[in-house]
Amino acid sequence: EPEVTQTPSHQVTQMGQEVILRCVPISNHLYFYWYRQILGQKVEFLVSFYNNEISEKSEIFDDQFSVERPDGSNFTLKIRSTKLEDSAMYFCASSERGRTSGYGSYNEQFFGPGTRLTVL
Amino acid sequence: RKEVEQDPGPFNVPEGATVAFNCTYSNSASQSFFWYRQDCRKEPKLLMSVYSSGNEDGRFTAQLNRASQYISLLIRDSKLSDSATYLCVVISPSGNTGKLIFGQGTTLQVKP
Repeated sequence: EPEVTQTPSHQVTQMGQEVILRCVPISNHLYFYWYRQILGQKVEFLVSFYNNEISEKSEIFDDQFSVERPDGSNFTLKIRSTKLEDSAMYFCASSERGRTSGYGSYNEQFFGPGTRLTVL
Repeated sequence: RKEVEQDPGPFNVPEGATVAFNCTYSNSASQSFFWYRQDCRKEPKLLMSVYSSGNEDGRFTAQLNRASQYISLLIRDSKLSDSATYLCVVISPSGNTGKLIFGQGTTLQVKP
């Protein structure tokens, strides 16, 4: 069964350093997402990406964050200068289509196993 | 008011028990609702969609009350393997990318 993969599973970095989190979405999917979950808190939307550009982003997704699909396969999240409060689990997700398929049906978002980011 | 609100629990129940979780959402324009399951330190996984007419999948029953902006999940005959956090999820009614809005989750612990 196709699945979303993420690397690394755990990343430890020093405050102020840049990190790149990598995701390989399911191959025929067109919509890509990043979510994060701070320990003990809810899953929060960061950004959605479609047709090689950002479709929507949250207030959390400030200038320190960027996303890219460099080679048609990987989908990356870069944090330019990490802060302590960036420590969280980062989940990548992908879906075949967006909110509706034209029939009003939901296109399930499949989540990757996550990357745990620890900023020291 | 939180966009999606759940009682965090934990709910501690014996095997075989019936347990119900509730959730409220704030945006009356929301159209699509789901229950996801999240095991400790793992990714969320879709458990079931919630339809206006209510729907059942084996031991799991989901209900939606649009007037009260209320969603429920009923688990019958609880198994040890049902122990997890159950996330109430709403698709944002704005935009067309299908952004998911998660509740905090309700933790279920099923004991032998």
